Amino acid sequence: TQLLEQSPQFLSIQEGENLTVYCNSSSVFSSLQWYRQEPGEGPVLLVTVVTGGEVKKLKRLTFQFGDARKDSSLHITAAQPGDTGLYLCAKGDSGTYKYIFGTGTRLKVLA
Amino acid sequence: SAVISQKPSRDICQRGTSLTIQCQVDSQVTMMFWYRQQPGQSLTLIATANQGSEATYESGFVIDKFPISRPNLTFSTLTVSNMSPEDSSIYLCSAWGTGANVLTFGAGSRLTVL
Repeated sequence: TQLLEQSPQFLSIQEGENLTVYCNSSSVFSSLQWYRQEPGEGPVLLVTVVTGGEVKKLKRLTFQFGDARKDSSLHITAAQPGDTGLYLCAKGDSGTYKYIFGTGTRLKVLA
Repeated sequence: SAVISQKPSRDICQRGTSLTIQCQVDSQVTMMFWYRQQPGQSLTLIATANQGSEATYESGFVIDKFPISRPNLTFSTLTVSNMSPEDSSIYLCSAWGTGANVLTFGAGSRLTVL
């Protein structure tokens, strides 16, 4: 079973602080997705990264795919309470379209 | 992307009973999947729901415990059979292949087994 390890597991920060979440695997990804899940909802796709070294920005969120395509990071600048949620990385299989999810990072941003 | 509706949204069940969760997508989709999310945990894939044939189960999940149906391209059910407190989880339906080719989720069904 291919594991996607995320760190940290939990993060509680004050509004306005910056943070970085990491997703690591022992194997190479063809692509990687980041999702956010809020309480009572299903995960929602934030971004897909495909190319090694790729950087994508979504407002205050910056996503980076490692050069070797075995790791990724999510950086949030000036976190807001609305950023609170469970952040999940995921790897999809291009043949079966099954998605395997990382261990998750639970973020709480305090006002 | 597609809109996925699940019901029930939550239920409290007695040990030994079975519960069927329904998943309805507002458009035809290529793939449908069922995930389990145990309290405070990430998502674990239970199975791929195959239209018109038996579901494909992941390691650790079996058809007798989690029978799945998918009679058409927009609907699927997951039954949790002979429930025990360890089955208390959120069960999530997801779909892929809705034009934008992204994985979309329902809001989940929160099951508590007493």
